[in-house]
Amino acid sequence: EIVLTQSPGTLSLSPGERATLSCRASQSVSSSYLVWYQQKPGQAPRLLIYGASSRATGIPDRFSGSGSGTDFTLTISRLEPEDFAVYYCQQYGSSPYTFGQGTKLEIK
Amino acid sequence: QVQLVESGGGVVQPGRSLRLSCAASGFTFSNYAMHWVRQAPGKGLEWVAVIWNDGSTKYYADSVKGRFTISRDNSKNTLYLQMNSLRAEDTAMYFCANEHFDIWGQGTMVTVSS
Repeated sequence: EIVLTQSPGTLSLSPGERATLSCRASQSVSSSYLVWYQQKPGQAPRLLIYGASSRATGIPDRFSGSGSGTDFTLTISRLEPEDFAVYYCQQYGSSPYTFGQGTKLEIK
Repeated sequence: QVQLVESGGGVVQPGRSLRLSCAASGFTFSNYAMHWVRQAPGKGLEWVAVIWNDGSTKYYADSVKGRFTISRDNSKNTLYLQMNSLRAEDTAMYFCANEHFDIWGQGTMVTVSS
């Protein structure tokens, strides 16, 4: 099983700042199957990034993904108030299709 | 529009069974693999199971293997999750999602409690 470890667990930032979220895998992950989600309370996850670096439909360009192998990063260039939420990475290249434990992005 | 709608959740006693459904619309259901994902209250996301578009292949999380069965009826555009021998730790919101996780339902809540 591929274990995904996200850091930090909680990130406290102010609107307008840059957020950098990390996702590290216990073994190499195919970039094609590395995705990032945003989840707000009471809502289903929303796909942000697929294929490690491609933005999903309708996702603002302040969101970007990068990385390969075992190290992946989600960057939010300038935080908007609506960006404060929980973010998850996931791999679905190798069953079981595991999620990271999440990073909570909170307002400082 | 493109939509997934789950149903079938509820309160059930430990050891009992429940079947969840996920009705798809707005896309060619039979072309895509489908997943179930769950989220316990206040916890993170846990992938549960996947079924190939033609039903030929199924994979499960170890936590549900042997107890849960994923299936689909492409003629009805519906995905199912048969959950047997339910445990308290199966209590969660259950979501269905399409092959590449870009379409999710709103979830259906399953509570396992005596």
